[in-house]
Amino acid sequence: GQNIDQPTEMTATEGAIVQINCTYQTSGFNGLFWYQQHAGEAPTFLSYNVLDGLEEKGRFSSFLSRSKGYSYLLLKELQMKDSASYLCAVMDSNYQLIWGAGTKLIIKP
Amino acid sequence: GAVVSQHPSWVICKSGTSVKIECRSLDFQATTMFWYRQFPKQSLMLMATSNEGSKATYEQGVEKDKFLINHASLTLSTLTVTSAHPEDSSFYICSARPPSGGDTGELFFGEGSRLTVL
Repeated sequence: GQNIDQPTEMTATEGAIVQINCTYQTSGFNGLFWYQQHAGEAPTFLSYNVLDGLEEKGRFSSFLSRSKGYSYLLLKELQMKDSASYLCAVMDSNYQLIWGAGTKLIIKP
Repeated sequence: GAVVSQHPSWVICKSGTSVKIECRSLDFQATTMFWYRQFPKQSLMLMATSNEGSKATYEQGVEKDKFLINHASLTLSTLTVTSAHPEDSSFYICSARPPSGGDTGELFFGEGSRLTVL
């Protein structure tokens, strides 16, 4: 079956760096997405990786290793507004998105 | 960026009534839109893929007669929850992928519609 694993919850301190991991097993691979979702709101797009390596976008970076079925989202200089759930999703061979359960990130002052 | 709008944002209805949720792509044409449901503290679950001018493709376990999807134009898809019951109370979210987003596959999401069935 298809499976996306990410930690349920993480806690970090304002100003620090946090890495959220995602491992996946899917039928085919057409890219991996990270979305941010604040409570009660729809997800917003953060990043897309289809090739191995690191993609940097401001304070957020995303890394992909297709051979390992592994990705991480790196958040630097954490701000209180970064408290949210972070969803990892993989597009399979049918171009369907398979969603992880999300990682709730709690930022403490 | 591309904008997808959903309406209504909040709806409360009595058990047994039907509720319609609209999803519009405001600045692009979307041949395909997706409908998700999200229960509290759970991930998004794809309910169906809405295709303009044809029948929607429903995921396993989703009742097509209960969740009616109509994608009558390239900018509008509707989800109707028929004979709603309290267990249908959830956060319903639509998304669409603009043609130009084909390289990144980026999905744009509506604001979501929170349905509460009394």
